[in-house]
Amino acid sequence: GENVEQHPSTLSVQEGDSAVIKCTYSDSASNYFPWYKQELGKRPQLIIDIRSNVGEKKDQRIAVTLNKTAKHFSLHITETQPEDSAVYFCAARCLFIQGAQKLVFGQGTRLTINP
Amino acid sequence: KAGVTQTPRYLIKTRGQQVTLSCSPISGHRSVSWYQQTPGQGLQFLFEYFSETQRNKGNFPGRFSGRQFSNSRSEMNVSTLELGDSALYLCASSPKVRTGGGNIQYFGAGTRLSVL
Repeated sequence: GENVEQHPSTLSVQEGDSAVIKCTYSDSASNYFPWYKQELGKRPQLIIDIRSNVGEKKDQRIAVTLNKTAKHFSLHITETQPEDSAVYFCAARCLFIQGAQKLVFGQGTRLTINP
Repeated sequence: KAGVTQTPRYLIKTRGQQVTLSCSPISGHRSVSWYQQTPGQGLQFLFEYFSETQRNKGNFPGRFSGRQFSNSRSEMNVSTLELGDSALYLCASSPKVRTGGGNIQYFGAGTRLSVL
């Protein structure tokens, strides 16, 4: 079945440094890859997404890269700040017949930014 | 626009009981998906509804069911509750699916269910 592997499960970086989280998906038909940030006790919030016809997308300090051949995608956060501390989830959208869809999530990465 | 609204926010039930959770999507959104979030299993897909039809279902037992109404509001029901059903249940809404790419899913705050 569909599967998304996410690494690392925990990541601790110094404020101002960069953080990279990597995901691998199994369903080659997946065509949409969102990243969600979930702060403690709050709902997952979309922070960036990428579609399969694009190799890279950037939004200020956040960027996502996609390698369709290798079925890898990664989140890059530069100049990290304490408010970046949260759990980050990657996901791959799987499509089925008649427009049915589902997001398959990675296990999450707990990112801690040390001041 | 109001966001995705889930009620109730918290529920405490005992084993064997049944529970119904409600989700009101963002106005104009027709697709509603449900997920179960637990510390051990992460975010697991339960089912997706579109235009009152269940289009997709995850790997959960038949005790988990749902429905969608004509105004796109959705409910999920869990019967014969087990201790392992304790989790945060999240629903997400997205606009009508367009061809060629994904639609953003917006999450509600969730319903935290505790089964004692």
